[in-house]
Amino acid sequence: GQNIDQPTEMTATEGAIVQINCTYQTSGFNGLFWYQQHAGEAPTFLSYNVLDGLEEKGRFSSFLSRSKGYSYLLLKELQMKDSASYLCAVMDSNYQLIWGAGTKLIIKP
Amino acid sequence: IAGITQAPTSQILAAGRRMTLRCTQDMRHNAMYWYRQDLGLGLRLIHYSNTAGTTGKGEVPDGYSVSRANTDDFPLTLASAVPSQTSVYFCASSASTGAGANVLTFGAGSRLTVL
Repeated sequence: GQNIDQPTEMTATEGAIVQINCTYQTSGFNGLFWYQQHAGEAPTFLSYNVLDGLEEKGRFSSFLSRSKGYSYLLLKELQMKDSASYLCAVMDSNYQLIWGAGTKLIIKP
Repeated sequence: IAGITQAPTSQILAAGRRMTLRCTQDMRHNAMYWYRQDLGLGLRLIHYSNTAGTTGKGEVPDGYSVSRANTDDFPLTLASAVPSQTSVYFCASSASTGAGANVLTFGAGSRLTVL
């Protein structure tokens, strides 16, 4: 079966750095997405990786290793507004998105 | 403001009743999707439409139906609601399907409770 694993919950301190991991087992691979979802709101797109390596976008970076079936989202200089759930999703060989259950990130002052 | 509008925002429904969740987008996106989101689970695809006039079944289609009469509208119907359909429903759209940065834009969600 297809599976996306990410931690259920993480806690970090304002101003710090946090890394949210995502491992996947899917039938084929056509890209990996990260979305942010604040409580009670819709998911919004953060990043897309299809080749190995690091993609940097401001305070957020996303890394991909296809051989290891592994990605992480790195958030720097954490702000209280970064408190949200972070969803990892992989596009499989049929171009269907397989979603992880999400990681709830709690930021403490 | 360009985006996706869902209605209703929230609804409590008696089991056995028929319910239609509405979804309208104004971005002229070709593809549209309906997902349900339940605590502890990832988003699960119910139905999708790659272009107006076509629809397809997702991971959890049973008990739901959709139509895509035009580019903008993609309603989701529960013919006879059951308690297991209690969930938050998200409509989404994308400019294209297939490989590439196929970014989804989501509506604000419809919270449905079936008693």
